[in-house]
Amino acid sequence: DAGITQSPRHKVTETGTPVTLRCHQTENHRYMYWYRQDPGHGLRLIHYSYGVKDTDKGEVSDGYSVSRSKTEDFLLTLESATSSQTSVYFCAISDLQGNYGYTFGSGTRLTVV
Amino acid sequence: DQQVKQNSPSLSVQEGRISILNCDYTNSMFDYFLWYKKYPAEGPTFLISISSIKDKNEDGRFTVFLNKSAKHLSLHIVPSQPGDSAVYFCAASASGGGADGLTFGKGTHLIIQP
Repeated sequence: DAGITQSPRHKVTETGTPVTLRCHQTENHRYMYWYRQDPGHGLRLIHYSYGVKDTDKGEVSDGYSVSRSKTEDFLLTLESATSSQTSVYFCAISDLQGNYGYTFGSGTRLTVV
Repeated sequence: DQQVKQNSPSLSVQEGRISILNCDYTNSMFDYFLWYKKYPAEGPTFLISISSIKDKNEDGRFTVFLNKSAKHLSLHIVPSQPGDSAVYFCAASASGGGADGLTFGKGTHLIIQP
């Protein structure tokens, strides 16, 4: 979707290194979310934000931190990457209006070796 | 403990027939339910939703049915088309809008056979 972009699209990193994934939106939506998708687990919520500098933990937040200094950007940081964090990461945005559907980005495929 | 369950990892349906995807939930606080469709290498896209005050919602070829007493919902696609081949995720919200995130099932891979 043109209103939300994730970067990078693919990344390979070494165990123990910090990694930051970026989600950028042009929709001015208040709510932003980070999910990870793994085989056999579906989509699981990592962290979410309900405004600038307002964030909270999701179901699988251990080993991750987030920051939102501007409405349009939501950063996900793996403080010290582990192989268990190899996954596809999706960012989503919402204004919780209408059908309450989230708009998802195209994903970042992260491989920790 | 999984609160949203999609017990069929895959489903194969002939083109033109009806596809029925099922979803069960355990959290009685869920009051809003959504279906998402996902193609490989793309993000999920919103398909259809239903509030707990309704038992049916229809949008073109897609209909979602909600049975609150059974904590069960289903997505019907009629008629099924080749472009419907994708992974379908059921999702639920307990906050009346998903402000604190949606809970997703593991997904069902729908394959439409020509």
